[in-house]
Amino acid sequence: DAKTTQPPSMDCAEGRAANLPCNHSTISGNEYVYWYRQIHSQGPQYIIHGLKNNETNEMASLIITEDRKSSTLILPHATLRDTAVYYCIVRVARGNKLVFGAGTILRVKS
Amino acid sequence: EPEVTQTPSHQVTQMGQEVILRCVPISNHLYFYWYRQILGQKVEFLVSFYNNEISEKSEIFDDQFSVERPDGSNFTLKIRSTKLEDSAMYFCASSVRDEANTEAFFGQGTRLTVV
Repeated sequence: DAKTTQPPSMDCAEGRAANLPCNHSTISGNEYVYWYRQIHSQGPQYIIHGLKNNETNEMASLIITEDRKSSTLILPHATLRDTAVYYCIVRVARGNKLVFGAGTILRVKS
Repeated sequence: EPEVTQTPSHQVTQMGQEVILRCVPISNHLYFYWYRQILGQKVEFLVSFYNNEISEKSEIFDDQFSVERPDGSNFTLKIRSTKLEDSAMYFCASSVRDEANTEAFFGQGTRLTVV
């Protein structure tokens, strides 16, 4: 599985956009980029995933660079409830497990 | 909104005892997983399960662990003889398909404390 690199922590002001970067320079053409988050010790929560194109859903947007070596998760209007650990995961085309790293601790502050 | 349900939320057991952690996956999902997270550490994959068989397991998933789908709705993780180091959050997950383009949804976890 391709390895991902994320900053250990980030701060964001409430109401502002939170932009969480992820590097995955060894990603293969058939591997997807997934984002999950974990609030306290709750179960990981699925946010979004993509292959090549930018994706948007009700929670967030995912911007993947053209060379696919990095991506950015955007929470457009962060709230205090978005404080969590955010995991960027590259998932192989065959095989179904998720390999979690240390993630980025996002602190949203009022 | 459909969700993965896990019971109990917290289980305390004595070392050497058997425990069974229970999960009810989302109803139309066919692929089931267990992960664990020791306090302060990463979420780790344990096992995946499909069509009443283990699809993949990690090195953590040794002979002390087993999984079962005893009926049409439950998916269980059994630890035969618990050790102190089995203390962790255990998360069940499920997905519709076994494809890279298919997200898995997690339950809220069972906190297992071995004393």
